[in-house]
Amino acid sequence: GENVEQHPSTLSVQEGDSAVIKCTYSDSASNYFPWYKQELGKRPQLIIDIRSNVGEKKDQRIAVTLNKTAKHFSLHITETQPEDSAVYFCAASGSDFGNEKLTFGTGTRLTIIP
Amino acid sequence: DSGVTQTPKHLITATGQRVTLRCSPRSGDLSVYWYQQSLDQGLQFLIQYYNGEERAKGNILERFSAQQFPDLHSELNLSSLELGDSALYFCASSVGGTYGTEAFFGQGTRLTVV
Repeated sequence: GENVEQHPSTLSVQEGDSAVIKCTYSDSASNYFPWYKQELGKRPQLIIDIRSNVGEKKDQRIAVTLNKTAKHFSLHITETQPEDSAVYFCAASGSDFGNEKLTFGTGTRLTIIP
Repeated sequence: DSGVTQTPKHLITATGQRVTLRCSPRSGDLSVYWYQQSLDQGLQFLIQYYNGEERAKGNILERFSAQQFPDLHSELNLSSLELGDSALYFCASSVGGTYGTEAFFGQGTRLTVV
């Protein structure tokens, strides 16, 4: 089955600086890669996603890049703000029968230092 | 609000007991996924249903079972509860099938086994 590795597990950055979180996946059949943000005790919330036919996607201060050859995708947050502090999870899934479930990385705890 | 409803929000029960967690997916979503999140841990996939049928199974214990009803709501049954079953249990829903796997999470049920 799919295996997703995520690094780093913790990340502290100064407010206004950029943050980068990296993930690798194992199953070449995976074609959908979302990122979720989870605040303490709350539900994971989808913040951005990318499909395998696209190399990069941007939404305001958040961007995601995908390298299918290397099976690697990354989340970039620019001009970080205190409200960006949370745990971020990457995930991967396919669209074949039985492969639609999201397999999550282990999470990155991002702390923005004011 | 994601449109996914989980009840109850909190549940405290004793070891050896049995509980049922309920999930109502977003309107139009056919797939329901159950995830377990232990304290400070990642999201472990338990099971997926699509339009009433089991679609994929993760590392779900034999003491746990689930089903999806004709109205598409789903229930997760946990029996012979142990202290280690204490966790946040999330339900997520998506359109499923070949229409992509963008998934939205409910607010979770926090289960405490004492």
